[in-house]
Amino acid sequence: EAAVTQSPRNKVAVTGGKVTLSCNQTNNHNNMYWYRQDTGHGLRLIHYSYGAGSTEKGDIPDGYKASRPSQENFSLILELATPSQTSVYFCASGDAGGARAETLYFGSGTRLTVL
Amino acid sequence: GDQVEQSPSALSLHEGTGSALRCNFTTTMRAVQWFRKNSRGSLINLFYLASGTKENGRLKSAFDSKERYSTLHIRDAQLEDSGTYFCAARTGNYKYVFGAGTRLKVIA
Repeated sequence: EAAVTQSPRNKVAVTGGKVTLSCNQTNNHNNMYWYRQDTGHGLRLIHYSYGAGSTEKGDIPDGYKASRPSQENFSLILELATPSQTSVYFCASGDAGGARAETLYFGSGTRLTVL
Repeated sequence: GDQVEQSPSALSLHEGTGSALRCNFTTTMRAVQWFRKNSRGSLINLFYLASGTKENGRLKSAFDSKERYSTLHIRDAQLEDSGTYFCAARTGNYKYVFGAGTRLKVIA
C-alpha cells in the first residue's frame, strides 16, 4: 500500500505569515499533487510535479508555490497567507503517467486556518 | 474547462438498502477514480477504472468514457459506509478533475 505522509496535520497561521506544508511519499512515485478541498467543491488542483525538480501550475496556483527537491518530497508554500487560503489540503502521489493507468494515493490532509 | 457533475450531493440510506452515485463529464475522460473520505478526513481509494466495471464487496463501479459518466453502486449499506464520496476524472497525463462529492449517511 502506498504511503503518503503529510505534515503538519493541523496548522493555524496569521495573515501575512509564511506557511509550508510538507508531503512525503515512500513508494517512488513520479507524480505528486497538491489539492485543496472546500465545502461544496471537489478537490481543486493547486500544483503538481512529475518528478524531482519539476513543478507545474494546476488550476488554482495563485498565492501558492511548490517545491519538489526530491522524488519523495513535495512541499506547498504560502509566502503570504490569507484567510481565503483556510482550507483542507491534500497531497497525493501517482504511480504512472502517459497512457498507463494511474492510481492516486492521498495523504491524510492538513487542515490550515489562517486568522 | 473540464467539468464533473456529481449527484446526488447528499444521500441518506437505511442499513441494508442500496443506491447509486453518479458522475457526468462534460468531455471524454481517460479514466475515473472513486474515493471515500472517512470520518478522520482521509481519502480512501475505492476504484480506478479506465473502462468497464469493477466490483469489490458491496461496491460496484462502472465507467463509460463514450457516454461520459461513471457510477458507484452501494448495496446492503452499513453504518461504516457513511462519509463523503468523490469521483475524480482523469483528463490528461497529470490532471484529475474532482466532483463536488456526495455526503452519504447510513441510518440504523
